[in-house]
Amino acid sequence: EDKVVQSPLSLVVHEGDTVTLNCSYEVTNFRSLLWYKQEKKAPTFLFMLTSSGIEKKSGRLSSILDKKELFSILNITATQTGDSAIYLCAYYSNSGYALNFGKGTSLLVTP
Amino acid sequence: DTGVSQNPRHKITKRGQNVTFRCDPISEHNRLYWYRQTLGQGPEFLTYFQNEAQLEKSRLLSDRFSAERPKGSFSTLEIQRTEQGDSAMYLCASSTRDSSYEQYFGPGTRLTVT
Repeated sequence: EDKVVQSPLSLVVHEGDTVTLNCSYEVTNFRSLLWYKQEKKAPTFLFMLTSSGIEKKSGRLSSILDKKELFSILNITATQTGDSAIYLCAYYSNSGYALNFGKGTSLLVTP
Repeated sequence: DTGVSQNPRHKITKRGQNVTFRCDPISEHNRLYWYRQTLGQGPEFLTYFQNEAQLEKSRLLSDRFSAERPKGSFSTLEIQRTEQGDSAMYLCASSTRDSSYEQYFGPGTRLTVT
């Protein structure tokens, strides 16, 4: 059965720390892996990764995909309290329409 | 605000009642998705529309659930004979054909079945 597994499930860090969130996957007909950030409401899109080894970067956030070892990481440098959220990774279903999400990593950044 | 909107934001209902939720996607988006999210879980896919056509339905979508998008714009999700297990956040998302990977989510409707 296709799935993604995120680790850790929760994390508490101090402002300024760097964090690395993990997403391992087992997906037949893999197309791409996506990262979303969910604060108290709607998930918002962060990155989509299709090719192995190519880093995607947006400000203090970056992500990379390893298609050999079947995982992706999301890095956040110089964390701020506003980074506190649930970070979700997801993959497309075989149909290419539905997103299937992991359980998420709950990140809390303390002042 | 030109994002995805959902109404109502909260709904409390008694077991056995029917409920209907509405989703208004971003105006130029022809793809619309419904997801359900419970505490401690990521969103779970329910169904997908391309324009007015319902092209995919999850096994999670039992016979008590029905979704429509009659004119290819807004969509409704109806749950008949609600059960306590239906309590969840119901999320709607939309996307364009060209960038379907970036699904834009609405704020959700939180359903509580008592």
